[in-house]
Amino acid sequence: AQTIHQWPVAEIKAVGSPLSLGCTIKGKSSPNLYWYWQATGGTLQQLFYSITVGQVESVVQLNLSASRPKDDQFILSTEKLLLSHSGFYLCAWRDWGTSAETLYFGSGTRLTVL
Amino acid sequence: QQKVQQSPESLTVSEGAMASLNCTFSDGTSNNFRWYRQHSAKGLEVLVSIFSDGEKEEGRFTAHLNRANLHVSLHIREPQPSDSAVYLCAVSLQGGSAKLIFGEGTKLTVSS
Repeated sequence: AQTIHQWPVAEIKAVGSPLSLGCTIKGKSSPNLYWYWQATGGTLQQLFYSITVGQVESVVQLNLSASRPKDDQFILSTEKLLLSHSGFYLCAWRDWGTSAETLYFGSGTRLTVL
Repeated sequence: QQKVQQSPESLTVSEGAMASLNCTFSDGTSNNFRWYRQHSAKGLEVLVSIFSDGEKEEGRFTAHLNRANLHVSLHIREPQPSDSAVYLCAVSLQGGSAKLIFGEGTKLTVSS
């Protein structure tokens, strides 16, 4: 069975400080991976997606970047956090196994920028 | 731009009574429609995925899709207090990005 793990569970960071959030999926080779973001009280938005190692596509510009250093790893980062980066970050992978393809999400990282 | 709207904003039902949630979308050419559940800002749990008109059942959760009416609904049979959560409707756009457009959610409270 596939498992998706995000870290850290929660972060409290200062404005202007760097950030790195991680996501690892096990049990699935060459997964399509996605980063989603949910501002407090807002709707979920897709930020990035990656189909393969080393390849990342940006969907929404939020002064964040993403990298896919390994097949099973997806990293979200920035060198300087903004207050507007606060929210809930979710990593997801795409399952093609059924006729109705579905995204499965990790448990998320709660980020508070002060 | 696909727009997804959910109703009601919040819903309270008694344990055992049917709960019905609605979702309307603006572009009927979307591929897939999903219902997710989110407990207190935790990860999303997928409940039902549906891609053709009609009904799809997954346990106590049944989705109904009507593309002509730009409407997808979720019905929860015999809801329990543990079903209290925010329910999100998501519509996927065509293409490789698997971009999901989410509604703002319906907060369901099941009272015992």
